[in-house]
Amino acid sequence: DAGITQSPRYKITETGRQVTLMCHQTWSHSYMFWYRQDLGHGLRLIYYSAAADITDKGEVPDGYVVSRSKTENFPLTLESATRSQTSVYFCASSESKGGRGLNTEAFFGQGTRLTVV
Amino acid sequence: GENVEQHPSTLSVQEGDSAVIKCTYSDSASNYFPWYKQELGKRPQLIIDIRSNVGEKKDQRIAVTLNKTAKHFSLHITETQPEDSAVYFCAASTTGTASKLTFGTGTRLQVTL
Repeated sequence: DAGITQSPRYKITETGRQVTLMCHQTWSHSYMFWYRQDLGHGLRLIYYSAAADITDKGEVPDGYVVSRSKTENFPLTLESATRSQTSVYFCASSESKGGRGLNTEAFFGQGTRLTVV
Repeated sequence: GENVEQHPSTLSVQEGDSAVIKCTYSDSASNYFPWYKQELGKRPQLIIDIRSNVGEKKDQRIAVTLNKTAKHFSLHITETQPEDSAVYFCAASTTGTASKLTFGTGTRLQVTL
C-alpha cells in the first residue's frame, strides 16, 4: 500500500486559485491515472499516462493539466479552481503485461479530498 | 470511447444470501474486466478480475462471469457477510498501448443481519 502515495490528503482552496495534487509511485509502473469520485458518478477518468512524457485526456479533462516528466510522478493541476471541482481525487498506477494494454491490477492512492470555496 | 454501465446502484441483502451485480460495456476491444471494492473512506481495492479469454473465474465466495458476445459481465457474492458491505465498481480496459481503465458508477451493497 505504501507504493503509491498522494499529497495532500485534504485541501481547501478558494475559487480561481491554482492547485496541484501530487502522486508518487515506487513500483515503476508504466500506467498512471487520475480519477475524480463524486456521488452518483463513480470514478471518472480525468487524465492518464501510458509512460513518461505520454499523457492523454480521459472523460472529464476540462480545467485540469497533467505532466509526467518522470515515471514515478504524475501531478494533477487545477489551473483555476472552481466549485464544481470539489471532489475526492484518486491517483492510480498499473503495469501492462506483454505490452498488450492495461490488463493487470490498478493500485490506488489514499485519495485527496479537495474543497473549493 | 468505452462506456460501462452498472446495475443496480444500491442492493440490500440479508446475511447469508447471494448478491449479483451486473455490468455492460460498449467497446468490443476491451479485454480486461476487474472488480473493485471500496469501503467507506478508503481507496478502491481489487477483489477479482477476468480476462477476455476466460468465461468465469471464482475465488472463494466471489465469482465473475463474462459474456463477450453480449458484452456483459457480472459479480456474484455468495453467503454474504456484514463485512461485504461496501461500494463495488466494475471496470473495463481497452487493449493497445493507450489503453485506459473505465469504471461503472458503482453499486452500494448493504448486508443486513
